[in-house]
Amino acid sequence: EVQLVESGGGLVKPGGSLRLSCEGSGFTFSNAWMNWVRQAPGKGLEWIGRIKSKPDGGTTDYAAPVKGRFTISRDDSKNTVWLQMNSLKTDDTAVYYCATGWFLDYWGQGTLVTVSS
Amino acid sequence: EIVLTQSPGTLSLFPGERATLSCRASQSVGSNYLAWYQQKPGQAPRLLIYGASSRATGIPDRFSGSGSGTDFTLTISRLEPEDFAVYYCQQYGTSPMYTFGQGTKLGIK
Repeated sequence: EVQLVESGGGLVKPGGSLRLSCEGSGFTFSNAWMNWVRQAPGKGLEWIGRIKSKPDGGTTDYAAPVKGRFTISRDDSKNTVWLQMNSLKTDDTAVYYCATGWFLDYWGQGTLVTVSS
Repeated sequence: EIVLTQSPGTLSLFPGERATLSCRASQSVGSNYLAWYQQKPGQAPRLLIYGASSRATGIPDRFSGSGSGTDFTLTISRLEPEDFAVYYCQQYGTSPMYTFGQGTKLGIK
């Protein structure tokens, strides 16, 4: 059974940093593209970035609102992908999900990030 | 960036009725790389359809997707109580950047 477990969410002040983790199991993590998607309270889904598998180049892509502030990395030996978030703004308040695949076939349950003074 | 516009924003139907949800793209979605997701309150989204018309694993056959180019449709042939949720379309092919539609909320009449 595919499982994705996010962690690391919490309350952070504007301008601060936070690192989210997503650990996967039940699939060949090293072959998986891993995405991060967020959902602000009461709003829709927003794709924020992706890291491809190393066989596919291991490259990253980011949505415009987070480019230059957020960084996605992975450690296949730990079956883990991270989302490093810097220079956080109140608009970054959301539930953050990791999701596998080229299209998003499996999702974690999400972790809440609140950016507030 | 491809903008996806879903309609209607809200749809109210009775169980047993047929639901038709629309997703229109601002430019052609390459190779019909269009997916649909279902999200219930307090839950993560679930993949229903990929490649515009292929059902994901375990998805009942009352869910079907169709369309190409800029116009796509999700049809639920006969609504079950558990189908009332928010539905999102998403494109994943034309550029490295994925985009979602704003969602259609399907409610019980």
